[in-house]
Amino acid sequence: EAGVVQSPRYKIIEKKQPVAFWCNPISGHNTLYWYLQNLGQGPELLIRYENEEAVDDSQLPKDRFSAERLKGVDSTLKIQPAELGDSAVYLCASSSPGSSTEAFFGQGTRLTVV
Amino acid sequence: RKEVEQDPGPFNVPEGATVAFNCTYSNSASQSFFWYRQDCRKEPKLLMSVYSSGNEDGRFTAQLNRASQYISLLIRDSKLSDSATYLCVVNIGNQFYFGTGTSLTVIP
Repeated sequence: EAGVVQSPRYKIIEKKQPVAFWCNPISGHNTLYWYLQNLGQGPELLIRYENEEAVDDSQLPKDRFSAERLKGVDSTLKIQPAELGDSAVYLCASSSPGSSTEAFFGQGTRLTVV
Repeated sequence: RKEVEQDPGPFNVPEGATVAFNCTYSNSASQSFFWYRQDCRKEPKLLMSVYSSGNEDGRFTAQLNRASQYISLLIRDSKLSDSATYLCVVNIGNQFYFGTGTSLTVIP
C-alpha cells in the first residue's frame, strides 16, 4: 500500500516568491493534516481537513498561507509571498476515521527561503 | 500553554542501558496517546500506541496515567539503532498534538 506522498522533497526560493506543496494521502483516509516542523521542535498543526472541509485552520497564517483539498483527496499548501521565517519542513499526514488510529506522515518538503 | 510537554534532552546513554522518557498533557479530554519515533531528516513514524493498562512491545514499555495526565516510555537494553527523537503525541477530537520530542543518542 502506498504511503502519504509529498512533493517536492526540497525547495529553495527567494523571499517574496510564491511556493506550493502537494500531498496525496493514503487511499481511504478522510482526514488530512498539514504540519510545520522547525528544527528541534515537534510538528505543529497548520490545517486539518475532514474530506474536503477545513475543520481547523486556526493556526494557518491566512495573510500568506492558503490550502485546498478539492474532491477530498489530494491537497496543496501555498505560501505567497514567502518570508525567511517560513524556512522549515512542511509535513503532510493522513488518518482514517476513529480517535485511536494513528497518523501516517509523508516524507515532508524541506523549504529554504533565502 | 502547550498541549504536550516533554523534556527535550538530549539523553546520551551507553549501549545496554535502560532509559525512560516522560511527558505530560494538559487536556483531560485527550482520547488516545502515542509515541512516535523520528530519525534525523525523516518523517515521524509510529513507535507504539499507549493504553491505560500499559503495554509492551519487545524492549519498549509505554505507560499512561490518566489521573496525573502523564505518559512514559521505557526502553530497555538500548541499541545503537534506538538513537532518534521520540515524540509524545495525544489525540483530541481527531487532532494530533505533538511534544517537542526527546533526543536519544545511544553510545557504543
